[in-house]
Amino acid sequence: DSGVTQTPKHLITATGQRVTLRCSPRSGDLSVYWYQQSLDQGLQFLIQYYNGEERAKGNILERFSAQQFPDLHSELNLSSLELGDSALYFCASSVRGDYTDTQYFGPGTRLTVL
Amino acid sequence: AQKVTQAQTEISVVEKEDVTLDCVYETRDTTYYLFWYKQPPSGELVFLIRRNSFDEQNEISGRYSWNFQKSTSSFNFTITASQVVDSAVYFCALSEARTGANNLFFGTGTRLTVIP
Repeated sequence: DSGVTQTPKHLITATGQRVTLRCSPRSGDLSVYWYQQSLDQGLQFLIQYYNGEERAKGNILERFSAQQFPDLHSELNLSSLELGDSALYFCASSVRGDYTDTQYFGPGTRLTVL
Repeated sequence: AQKVTQAQTEISVVEKEDVTLDCVYETRDTTYYLFWYKQPPSGELVFLIRRNSFDEQNEISGRYSWNFQKSTSSFNFTITASQVVDSAVYFCALSEARTGANNLFFGTGTRLTVIP
């Protein structure tokens, strides 16, 4: 158990809908990251937050947005869902958020868009 | 261009055999970190090791060992006396100092199956 929690574990929804994925980082970690794992794209970095502020952005679609709250938990919002958004979404956390840090991953949320 | 290449898509070994998983990386940074993660069938990503670009010492942890060679831009992972519980997908990843942040670039993974 990494100490990172993600809810829900599974999510099934329809195209065009909007969902919110939630992540709580390990105690003491200030940075959270979101990754998408799909069969065709592999593991891709989406976005990073550090202490409430966006720090880095990767291949995140405009239909997706995220935020980190004052209690350091984070939410990833996915809207206007398409079939291709079906994937495993991971949250990770680390202490400082710089390149030297080790990221610890949560169990993931498996999103299925029908 | 792929920053991290794991050319072996799938490997099968018989229990107790040794197996090496290859990882080749590409970066213009002189300062970077390399990582290995394990993804068992249950799906979570488990951190195994972190190595910085200035430390080329090989590391051993139980049955696991890692060989870092900057000259060939490789960071290979060897499992000695493999066990069924080692069956998983293994990912190599890179983080670069110049990004200022910590987005990991992952390879495509190597699926290891250990046959009893």
